[in-house]
Amino acid sequence: DVKVTQSSRYLVKRTGEKVFLECVQDMDHENMFWYRQDPGLGLRLIYFSYDVKMKEKGDIPEGYSVSREKKERFSLILESASTNQTSMYLCASSLTQGYGYTFGSGTRLTVV
Amino acid sequence: QQQVKQSPQSLIVQKGGISIINCAYENTAFDYFPWYQQFPGKGPALLIAIRPDVSEKKEGRFTISFNKSAKQFSLHIMDSQPGDSATYFCAASVPDGLTFGKGTHLIIQP
Repeated sequence: DVKVTQSSRYLVKRTGEKVFLECVQDMDHENMFWYRQDPGLGLRLIYFSYDVKMKEKGDIPEGYSVSREKKERFSLILESASTNQTSMYLCASSLTQGYGYTFGSGTRLTVV
Repeated sequence: QQQVKQSPQSLIVQKGGISIINCAYENTAFDYFPWYQQFPGKGPALLIAIRPDVSEKKEGRFTISFNKSAKQFSLHIMDSQPGDSATYFCAASVPDGLTFGKGTHLIIQP
């Protein structure tokens, strides 16, 4: 069974901390994505990557950065966490950019 | 600019009833329309999808109806069950990206 694994289900961090969210996929997919999910706002794309070391900004990249050093791993970085970044973060991967997304189970991040 | 508009935001249906969620789009370049189902504490998972050359697709109790001229598509859940309670997202694809609706929180009351 194909999988996208997010390293943490729940995280609590303090304002100003540097936060790393990790995502690993075992499907040899070229494309990986980071979304945040908030009530009433749906899924908003933060960043995506279509190849190793490549990244593209999504709709809400401010306050975030990403790293993709290996094909299977895509990391989301909050350089200085703020309370408005409290959210559910979802990682996804796909073979092509527009089709066949597989999501991880999400990381619920609380910034206090 | 929201390219896929989904309604309603929340929906309560009695067990055994029909749940209907609607989506509308504007970009005629979209060529694939998936629906995702998300249970609490889980990520969205592909439920059913349709291409615009087909007007209807049925998988078990789940049916997508597609109206290309109106640029609308909908998900129908027949004989809705409490286990169908979840958040449902419609989406639309072009080769270089996928656009999601904002989601519908569906509750099936026993």
